[in-house]
Amino acid sequence: QKEVEQDPGPLSVPEGAIVSLNCTYSNSAFQYFMWYRQYSRKGPELLMYTYSSGNKEDGRFTAQVDKSSKYISLFIRDSQPSDSATYLCAMKEGAQKLVFGQGTRLTINP
Amino acid sequence: DAEITQSPRHKITETGRQVTLACHQTWNHNNMFWYRQDLGHGLRLIHYSYGVQDTNKGEVSDGYSVSRSNTEDLPLTLESAASSQTSVYFCASGAGGPSSNEQFFGPGTRLTVL
Repeated sequence: QKEVEQDPGPLSVPEGAIVSLNCTYSNSAFQYFMWYRQYSRKGPELLMYTYSSGNKEDGRFTAQVDKSSKYISLFIRDSQPSDSATYLCAMKEGAQKLVFGQGTRLTINP
Repeated sequence: DAEITQSPRHKITETGRQVTLACHQTWNHNNMFWYRQDLGHGLRLIHYSYGVQDTNKGEVSDGYSVSRSNTEDLPLTLESAASSQTSVYFCASGAGGPSSNEQFFGPGTRLTVL
């Protein structure tokens, strides 16, 4: 079993829809949780970062962490075609290296 | 502006050849990482370095090596390329420390081993 599991999709939704992306993990020592966005043929870039449990909002994006369930989510409100990308969750324990999920390929249809 | 670059961007080689992929960053980051990305597997860590002369194996290090002689560069060498090493390779760098979570990724190198 992988340390971090993420549904690879693909996920296709109409413009304006609310998108929910999720990851589960098995290592209870993970403290730092991140979402990276990767456009086609580009390197990933950090989208959001959360420490421990709770919510964090940045514009149309909300990241949630539920450590009791070992479950993290990224919500995208009022989705736009420019949000079409692969979204990777990543997490780590202290100063340790990042562990990535498989990535979910998202397409927003105009 | 600081950046991280990779070269070449595309490479085709033959089985058994030695291949070196270059990674150069001007962020002055201590930490550097090499990943490979394959469909269904996401990003998998090959090797990483926390500073000059420091190198460590990741989860898929067999057949790969790295060396860190300065802060800016972490070249990745495939000693004897195999078809299973056909992949997209990403280099990343980060400032390090428990509160530093952002890794800056290069544009990737698409490697094909025939």
